[in-house]
Amino acid sequence: NAGVTQTPKFQVLKTGQSMTLQCAQDMNHEYMSWYRQDPGMGLRLIHYSVGAGITDQGEVPNGYNVSRSTTEDFPLRLLSAAPSQTSVYFCASTSGQGGINYGYTFGSGTRLTVV
Amino acid sequence: GEDVEQSLFLSVREGDSSVINCTYTDSSSTYLYWYKQEPGAGLQLLTYIFSNMDMKQDQRLTVLLNKKDKHLSLRIADTQTGDSAIYFCAGAYSGGYQKVTFGTGTKLQVIP
Repeated sequence: NAGVTQTPKFQVLKTGQSMTLQCAQDMNHEYMSWYRQDPGMGLRLIHYSVGAGITDQGEVPNGYNVSRSTTEDFPLRLLSAAPSQTSVYFCASTSGQGGINYGYTFGSGTRLTVV
Repeated sequence: GEDVEQSLFLSVREGDSSVINCTYTDSSSTYLYWYKQEPGAGLQLLTYIFSNMDMKQDQRLTVLLNKKDKHLSLRIADTQTGDSAIYFCAGAYSGGYQKVTFGTGTKLQVIP
């Protein structure tokens, strides 16, 4: 049981480049979310999904797109990378069964640097 | 929405108890969580508590919830060097259980 798998683990981008951060879970979880972690700011919610085909914006969605075509996968796309997007990105999932959130399972993160 | 606040740093001696505190703003917060993050790793769920509970105990961990003061605490008994990490308080409010808001984290340093 792999849990939540994020790829790549590290990435360096040039300003203006685009890329997709991959996230996959094998626990049949309905809820999935993307967070970014910056020093002194905790984790901030970028986008989230409550099921396949359903996504919504979080606290800091600008510059990012998501889609959820399957229950397992929830990729995060950076449209045109900016230095302000240098951060550690975490994907998380939880079952949401019965409308109850017993807590997210997190991936190990992607460390992104935009130069 | 929800704001969650924590102190930034706590230092304790090995074998002592650690108490990490958290305050939250949304009185409708239904689920509250404690996560642990070790260097270079993702967040690990330690425990959760529902708003209809006052206390939850799990081995060395005790969570206390004061709904009146919107205060949550995590007590770690017999703190070990392996407990050194950043601890995050988080909450989900009744309007959106999937939207979990995190505090800025408390760095726990355990002195041998």
